[in-house]
Amino acid sequence: EVQLVESGGGLVQPGGSLRLSCSASGFTFSRCAMHWVRQAPGKGLEFVSTISSDGGRTYYADSVKGRFTISRDNSKNTLYLQMSSPRAEDTAVYYCVKDLNSGSYIFDYWGQGTLVTVSS
Amino acid sequence: QSVLTQPPSASGTPGQRVTISCSGSSSNIGTNTVNWYQQFPGTAPRLLIYTNNQRPSGVPDRFSGSKSGTTASLAISGLQSEDEADYYCAAWDDSLSGVVFGGGTKLTVL
Repeated sequence: EVQLVESGGGLVQPGGSLRLSCSASGFTFSRCAMHWVRQAPGKGLEFVSTISSDGGRTYYADSVKGRFTISRDNSKNTLYLQMSSPRAEDTAVYYCVKDLNSGSYIFDYWGQGTLVTVSS
Repeated sequence: QSVLTQPPSASGTPGQRVTISCSGSSSNIGTNTVNWYQQFPGTAPRLLIYTNNQRPSGVPDRFSGSKSGTTASLAISGLQSEDEADYYCAAWDDSLSGVVFGGGTKLTVL
């Protein structure tokens, strides 16, 4: 059974930093591209970032480019999102998402999400 | 404003057929495939339809997807009360080099 478990969310001050983690199991993590998708309270879904299966390629939404960094450790089956200089508009539930294939951008499994609140 | 345009709400009675549209442009739906996600309140989204019209295992065949030009559609036949949820379309956008989502459609079963 595929499981994606996010952690690391919480309250962070504007301009601070926070690292989200996603522990994956039930599939061959090292063969799958992975993504982060977020959802602001009461709002729709927003693509945040993607990392290729080997970690060699990354993509970011313009809204987070230069501030967030996606990475992965295939030896630990773990995906990360380093959030630097967060803003109030980054407040959202962050979902760790598995790709159906390697780079299809079809999001076939989602974690339960972790809430990040950016506020002073 | 979302890049893909969906009606904010839709409704139907049990047993009816309901269709939700998703309008895009030549840089997204016009040249790439469309995926649909279903989300119940307080839960994570789940993949409902991928590559325009494919159903993952476990998704009832009451759900179907189609695409024509720059518009995609999700159809739900034999509507059931448990179909009440938010539905989102998504596609790769060549101009933005990223996935774009519709704003979501809240489906109410009357």
